[in-house]
Amino acid sequence: EVQLVESGGDLVQPGSSLRLSCAVSGFIFGDYAMHWVRQAPGKGLEWVSGISRTTGSLGYEDSVRGRFTISRDNAKNSLFLQMNSLRAEDTAFYYCVKDIGSSGYYFDYWGQGILVTVSS
Amino acid sequence: IQMTQSPSSLSASVGDRVTIACRARQAIGYSLAWYQQKPGRAPKLLLAASSKLQGGVPSRFSGSGSGTDFTLTISSLQPEDFATYYCQQYFSTPFTFGGGTKVEIK
Repeated sequence: EVQLVESGGDLVQPGSSLRLSCAVSGFIFGDYAMHWVRQAPGKGLEWVSGISRTTGSLGYEDSVRGRFTISRDNAKNSLFLQMNSLRAEDTAFYYCVKDIGSSGYYFDYWGQGILVTVSS
Repeated sequence: IQMTQSPSSLSASVGDRVTIACRARQAIGYSLAWYQQKPGRAPKLLLAASSKLQGGVPSRFSGSGSGTDFTLTISSLQPEDFATYYCQQYFSTPFTFGGGTKVEIK
């Protein structure tokens, strides 16, 4: 059974940093691209960033580029999102998402989501 | 690539045929996926490559289109289909979603 479990969400002040983690199981992690997708409460879905199976970045959404960094550890079946200089508009549920392929396509498995709240 | 869905919401009855449109700002070939999301749940993949139904998804769901214009059709709406639907282009990064269409009970 495929499982993606996010952790690291918290309530932080604007300007703070936070690191999200995603532990995966049930598939060969190193064979697939992975992504972070977020959803502000009551709003739509927004792709944040993706990473190919070989740790090459697939890019970032414009508003997070330069502040967020995606990474992965294939040996530990883990995906990460380092978020710096957080803003109120970064408040959202962050989903760890599995790609159907190795280099970036669409998303067949999603974690349950983790809430990041940026507020003073 | 900006993705625009219409309508943003609709009311329908069980048994109705429902069509949701998704338009891309530029041509994306067949690189379009559809997701269903219920309140408090993660999205679920329904179709990819515009019209390819994913395993376990009921055949009442279908997709069509290419280039810039796409549609998701539910042939006979069931109670479990009341949800929000999103299209997503994967032609190029940054991958982008439509704004969503909320299907509500009439």
